[in-house]
Amino acid sequence: DAGVTQSPTHLIKTRGQQVTLRCSPKSGHDTVSWYQQALGQGPQFIFQYYEEEERQRGNFPDRFSGHQFPNYSSELNVNALLLGDSALYLCASSMIGADTQYFGPGTRLTVL
Amino acid sequence: QQQVKQSPQSLIVQKGGISIINCAYENTAFDYFPWYQQFPGKGPALLIAIRPDVSEKKEGRFTISFNKSAKQFSLHIMDSQPGDSATYFCAASGNSNSGYALNFGKGTSLLVTP
Repeated sequence: DAGVTQSPTHLIKTRGQQVTLRCSPKSGHDTVSWYQQALGQGPQFIFQYYEEEERQRGNFPDRFSGHQFPNYSSELNVNALLLGDSALYLCASSMIGADTQYFGPGTRLTVL
Repeated sequence: QQQVKQSPQSLIVQKGGISIINCAYENTAFDYFPWYQQFPGKGPALLIAIRPDVSEKKEGRFTISFNKSAKQFSLHIMDSQPGDSATYFCAASGNSNSGYALNFGKGTSLLVTP
């Protein structure tokens, strides 16, 4: 049974560019959350998707947007990249109504 | 604003010793408190979790102690091993009224020496 998968593993972009990160949830899960983890910090909640709708959003600007597909996979898009967007981006999946979130390995984004 | 405060920032324990990490929260709407373990370059892995209706939960060498009145909870790692060396995060989340997001502490870097 595959766990949460994310792609790509690493990504290097320059300021002003746009990036798309992808996530496939654990089998049987229908809810996907995205987190940003800066170096040496705890993960910070970006948003959560369920039934292809954004269910809750954290304190992140509109440059951060997402999408969930009918097969429950999800994308995180970041526009107009800033140096401060450099971080590990984590996807977590869960079942609706359940508290436990399972994390993927993350995508390391470096903005130069 | 940090909704969950975690201490200490780093911890060094000898093999066989007990590692203790503490967390405190303010939002009384939180009703789920997990602990995650993270190795360098990896995503956080769920270790153990507790709800406020119990004061303690044990799974193997890992125990969560929960004090609802003090709004504090802690992780105890018994018989600590070098393989336990990692960063540990406490977190808290609520429900449909207070939100489903996991609110993480800043993490504790644990080093278990041989």
